[in-house]
Amino acid sequence: EVQLVESGGGLVQPGGSLRLSCAASGFTFSSYWMTWVRQAPGKGLEWVANIKQDVSERYYVDSVKGRFTVSRDNAKNSLYLQMNSLRAEDTAVYYCAKGGSWYGNWGQGTLVTVSS
Amino acid sequence: DIVMTQSPDSLAVSLGERATINCKSSQSVLYSSNNKNYLAWYQQKPGQPPKLLINWASTRESGVPDRFSGSGSGTDFTLTISSLQAEDVAVYYCQQYYSTPGITFGPGTKVDIK
Repeated sequence: EVQLVESGGGLVQPGGSLRLSCAASGFTFSSYWMTWVRQAPGKGLEWVANIKQDVSERYYVDSVKGRFTVSRDNAKNSLYLQMNSLRAEDTAVYYCAKGGSWYGNWGQGTLVTVSS
Repeated sequence: DIVMTQSPDSLAVSLGERATINCKSSQSVLYSSNNKNYLAWYQQKPGQPPKLLINWASTRESGVPDRFSGSGSGTDFTLTISSLQAEDVAVYYCQQYYSTPGITFGPGTKVDIK
């Protein structure tokens, strides 16, 4: 059974940093693109970033370019999102999802709140 | 980026009746070389992550009840729930994956019981 478990969310001040993690199991992690999607409170879904199996390609939504970095450790079956220079508008539940196109498996999400 | 719109924003349907959700893309998501529409539908219930219902515009995921169906091509798509059940109360999103990595979702349609 595919499992994706996010962690690392919390309350952070504007301008601060957080690192999210996603622990994957139940599938061959190294064979799949992986993706971060976020959802602001009461709002819709927004694709944030994704990363190719071999880390040779990474892509970001324009609003996070230069501030967020997606990475992975295939030996640890883990996906990461380093978030710097956080803004109030980054407040959201962050989901990791398996795949690079459509997403058949999602984690339960981790809440990031950016507030002073 | 491809902009996705959905209509209506919300709808209320009686149990056992049909619910129809529309999704429109700002440009075609039909890839001519394979004649596939790069469009998915998701269901999201409160406090839960989204659940994939349909990909390639009309291919139901394994385990998804057959009352859910997807149709359309090019820029106009429809998700139909043929006979609404109580457990179908949720927000439904369409998503294009034609323009990767710039994947985009529709704004969502909330479905309630009348």
